Amino acid sequence: DAGVTQSPTHLIKTRGQQVTLRCSPISGHKSVSWYQQVLGQGPQFIFQYYEKEERGRGNFPDRFSARQFPNYSSELNVNALLLGDSALYLCASSLFPGMNTEAFFGQGTRLTVV
Amino acid sequence: DAKTTQPTSMDCAEGRAANLPCNHSTISGNEYVYWYRQIHSQGPQYIIHGLKNNETNEMASLIITEDRKSSTLILPHATLRDTAVYYCIVRVADGSSNTGKLIFGQGTTLQVKP
Repeated sequence: DAGVTQSPTHLIKTRGQQVTLRCSPISGHKSVSWYQQVLGQGPQFIFQYYEKEERGRGNFPDRFSARQFPNYSSELNVNALLLGDSALYLCASSLFPGMNTEAFFGQGTRLTVV
Repeated sequence: DAKTTQPTSMDCAEGRAANLPCNHSTISGNEYVYWYRQIHSQGPQYIIHGLKNNETNEMASLIITEDRKSSTLILPHATLRDTAVYYCIVRVADGSSNTGKLIFGQGTTLQVKP
């Protein structure tokens, strides 16, 4: 069975540009979460979606947005990129959102803003 | 903010048990303890989680103290491939939605030595 897949694996953008990252959850999983991991730090929660609705949001500016599609895949959009947005962006899928359910992470998208 | 405290680094001899401690003195009654590990900036890998009872799976054992203020992850026979950053996480309810977001700290870098 395929795990969580993210695309692209790497990309380079210029300050001020916009970027869209994509995530396909494990088959049967209906919840997707996004995390940002800056070099040397642990991942930070950005969003959680379940059944196409936002169920949780971390402390990130409005430049960050996301959505979930009927097939449960998800996109993370970041507008007006800053140098500080350079990070590994991780997607995690789980059967449902909640306290007692494993979340499985993809390999991430490495975003470099120059 | 992370609700856990872990040692920054630990060493373990190959073939021996690795015992990774974690303090979570402010944990609430409905919050679960999760352990993940991350190797070479790959996506975090789920290891185990628990609420108040000790748990065991094919990867590890999780021992939670009776007052739930601390826990220990045990890798029974560490191998060189277990070298990684280990994150002890308290899964926090996100507002009224009971969406469980993972709050990562800095983690413990475990170095397994031959």
